[in-house]
Amino acid sequence: DGGITQSPKYLFRKEGQNVTLSCEQNLNHDAMYWYRQDPGQGLRLIYYSQIVNDFQKGDIAEGYSVSREKKESFPLTVTSAQKNPTAFYLCASSIGSQLIYEQYFGPGTRLTVT
Amino acid sequence: AQKVTQAQTEISVVEKEDVTLDCVYETRDTTYYLFWYKQPPSGELVFLIRRNSFDEQNEISGRYSWNFQKSTSSFNFTITASQVVDSAVYFCALSESMNYGGSQGNLIFGKGTKLSVKP
Repeated sequence: DGGITQSPKYLFRKEGQNVTLSCEQNLNHDAMYWYRQDPGQGLRLIYYSQIVNDFQKGDIAEGYSVSREKKESFPLTVTSAQKNPTAFYLCASSIGSQLIYEQYFGPGTRLTVT
Repeated sequence: AQKVTQAQTEISVVEKEDVTLDCVYETRDTTYYLFWYKQPPSGELVFLIRRNSFDEQNEISGRYSWNFQKSTSSFNFTITASQVVDSAVYFCALSESMNYGGSQGNLIFGKGTKLSVKP
């Protein structure tokens, strides 16, 4: 089935540790995105990538890093510099870029840092 | 400044009632795109509709309809004859296509409206 895979669904880490969230898509989409969702809040864009080996910061990129070595994969690293990393993280992709196309979302990863 | 306001935090209706979810936006751009997404309890957002700023025609898709009014900067979403499966959080989003300050455009989500449909 075509779609977006995020793993794991739940992730627990100790404060001070870096953690990498996985996102894979088999939709052959050019653009991929990472969002953060906090309770009662909308989605906030962390990073997005329009093509392989290129990515741009979103509204809340501080404390996060990404890579886009393959079209299918866009992993997100939550570093120890992120002051409040506990959140629900959603990955998405779209056929075109520039943030004007409909996006298709993965099931999300709920990260808890204690 | 770019902004999306969904003033209704939570709405509760009984099955078969009609319900309208409000979305008001602010933008300085003349070319922009509006979206609605549904987030069921499973967490995965589902795309519902995209509308560009030059297309003010209302749209109907089954029990769903959308009313886009540029004069009031609103893009409201109506569910007719609601069903329990419509229970979810619904997000309105705005994307500007213009390149301001070196960025490649921007995409802003509202805070969402939680809809509960009771049997």
